[in-house]
Amino acid sequence: SQELEQSPQSLIVQEGKNLTINCTSSKTLYGLYWYKQKYGEGLIFLMMLQKGGEEKSHEKITAKLDEKKQQSSLHITASQPSHAGIYLCGAPTKYGGSQGNLIFGKGTKLSVKP
Amino acid sequence: DTAVSQTPKYLVTQMGNDKSIKCEQNLGHDTMYWYKQDSKKFLKIMFSYNNKELIINETVPNRFSPKSPDKAHLNLHINSLELGDSAVYFCASSPPVPIQETQYFGPGTRLLVL
Repeated sequence: SQELEQSPQSLIVQEGKNLTINCTSSKTLYGLYWYKQKYGEGLIFLMMLQKGGEEKSHEKITAKLDEKKQQSSLHITASQPSHAGIYLCGAPTKYGGSQGNLIFGKGTKLSVKP
Repeated sequence: DTAVSQTPKYLVTQMGNDKSIKCEQNLGHDTMYWYKQDSKKFLKIMFSYNNKELIINETVPNRFSPKSPDKAHLNLHINSLELGDSAVYFCASSPPVPIQETQYFGPGTRLLVL
């Protein structure tokens, strides 16, 4: 069965610093979703990547999917306290995306020190 | 105008009780899901429903039963609650294939079984 491994498990950075979170799949990905979770707020969708080599950015967050579609990275530039939370990568287990269930990595807990 | 809502937000109950968690989505999506997030923050699929038909049923105990009175609702009923059922339960919904889009998550229900 497919598994997603995230690294690091937790990360503490000083405000203003850049950081990268990685997500590695045991099988070729049909797609890759990045979510952020804050306590009491559920999962907030950040970005979805589908094509090998694809890169998307939103505000100060950039996500990439490698050419082989087995690894994704999430990069935050000039981190702020509002970026703190748990970042989860998720992947559909069937082609066609959202109808199949998603599997998730175990998450990366990000703390940003002011 | 919440997209996916869950009630209650918190649920504290005794072992052996029966409880339900409600989920509603106003996005017009055809597929709804229940996920369980354990104490280690690992998020795993439990069920999904498409047009009132159960299409995914992971290895969860039969004490858990999803009930969908209509397309906008997928409630989770749990019989004979056990200590190990303590977790955060997330409801989600998504549009049908072939539209590839993310799943939208509710805020979660924090269940504590004493």
